[in-house]
Amino acid sequence: DADVTQTPRNRITKTGKRIMLECSQTKGHDRMYWYRQDPGLGLQLIYYSFDVKDINKGEISDGYSVSRQAQAKFSLSLESAIPNQTALYFCATSDFAGSDEQFFGPGTRLTVL
Amino acid sequence: GQQLNQSPQSMFIQEGEDVSMNCTSSSIFNTWLWYKQDPGEGPVLLIALYKAGELTSNGRLTAQFGITRKDSFLNISASIPSDVGIYFCAGQIGGSNYKLTFGKGTLLTVNP
Repeated sequence: DADVTQTPRNRITKTGKRIMLECSQTKGHDRMYWYRQDPGLGLQLIYYSFDVKDINKGEISDGYSVSRQAQAKFSLSLESAIPNQTALYFCATSDFAGSDEQFFGPGTRLTVL
Repeated sequence: GQQLNQSPQSMFIQEGEDVSMNCTSSSIFNTWLWYKQDPGEGPVLLIALYKAGELTSNGRLTAQFGITRKDSFLNISASIPSDVGIYFCAGQIGGSNYKLTFGKGTLLTVNP
């Protein structure tokens, strides 16, 4: 079974709709991250969380919100989706007590029409 | 903020050739990571570097942590078709700053 899972894997929605992307991990890591990937732009950090009570904005947090429901769950919400939020979204985890390496989920492809 | 310049943006090579790509920064990083992303998948960690001058191998892949701590290199020897994908470098300052800064990626195409 995958250590970091994301649901849904693909989603098509309309402008103005509220969307939630979910991430779960079985690695036991404290730290979780949400990234956005656009073609040719690499990975940009949206939000990150170092534990259940800690939420931090990343480089491009406008238009997004997050919730850390448990150590293993970190969800990303788009309150009112807009077309330029069409992108690939990745969740990642890392271990506070271990190395700095981040482990990524398989991604969610979101299309906003 | 920190920025990473990754080059080349893309490479087209023949199977069996060696490949080199690099990342440079105006900032010092204390950790360098190299990831590979296959189409439709998330990035997968290939090599992690934690010490200036460090040279680390993972099969046909070799990466080096530049002595200035402002650059890193990844080499792939004897490329094969399954090496196709996007390779990303990522740097981390460390200490109280655990965020990764990613390069924009190198798209590698291997012709059989």
